[in-house]
Amino acid sequence: AQKVTQAQTEISVVEKEDVTLDCVYETRDTTYYLFWYKQPPSGELVFLIRRNSFDEQNEISGRYSWNFQKSTSSFNFTITASQVVDSAVYFCALSGQFSGGYNKLIFGAGTRLAVHP
Amino acid sequence: GAGVSQSPRYKVTKRGQDVALRCDPISGHVSLYWYRQALGQGPEFLTYFNYEAQQDKSGLPNDRFSAERPEGSISTLTIQRTEQRDSAMYRCASSLGMDRSGELFFGEGSRLTVL
Repeated sequence: AQKVTQAQTEISVVEKEDVTLDCVYETRDTTYYLFWYKQPPSGELVFLIRRNSFDEQNEISGRYSWNFQKSTSSFNFTITASQVVDSAVYFCALSGQFSGGYNKLIFGAGTRLAVHP
Repeated sequence: GAGVSQSPRYKVTKRGQDVALRCDPISGHVSLYWYRQALGQGPEFLTYFNYEAQQDKSGLPNDRFSAERPEGSISTLTIQRTEQRDSAMYRCASSLGMDRSGELFFGEGSRLTVL
């Protein structure tokens, strides 16, 4: 079975603090994809990143970085020098070749991040 | 259009009524997906299409739910004999091609409230 766990329900930080959002997944697939999506207060879901299971390189995009560790089945997301505009609900998701197919994303419950001025 | 468009944005209906939710994907996108998101939860897969063909409907909760995409563009999700437990945000997403797994572009959603 596939499962995504985001243990942090809510995180509150002050602007300019660094913050890490945790994501732990379970899958029996050897080939799978991991994702992060952002849901700002306006409600839409915005794609942030996709990572396949064969690529464990960490990725950095501006203030955002992602740490994929197969050994611990984790795909954590760090925001450096957080800003008020980062306030949103962040979802981690997983899809697998034999667990419904690559197009069927399994989402975690999300982590609500509040960045205060 | 510029993005995925869903209508209506808000729908309030009485238990037992049928509802139809519409999704207009990004022009040229081959794949179209329906997800349901309960309050405080992540989106849950319902069904998806490649062109007009429904590829997977394993996430539809029961036979009151159906979806179609007859011409490979606009899709309609229909819920018959609505129940209060159907209340949720229904999200549509599209993607460019069948091989671009997971790069889904979501619409703003249709919030359904069943009284």
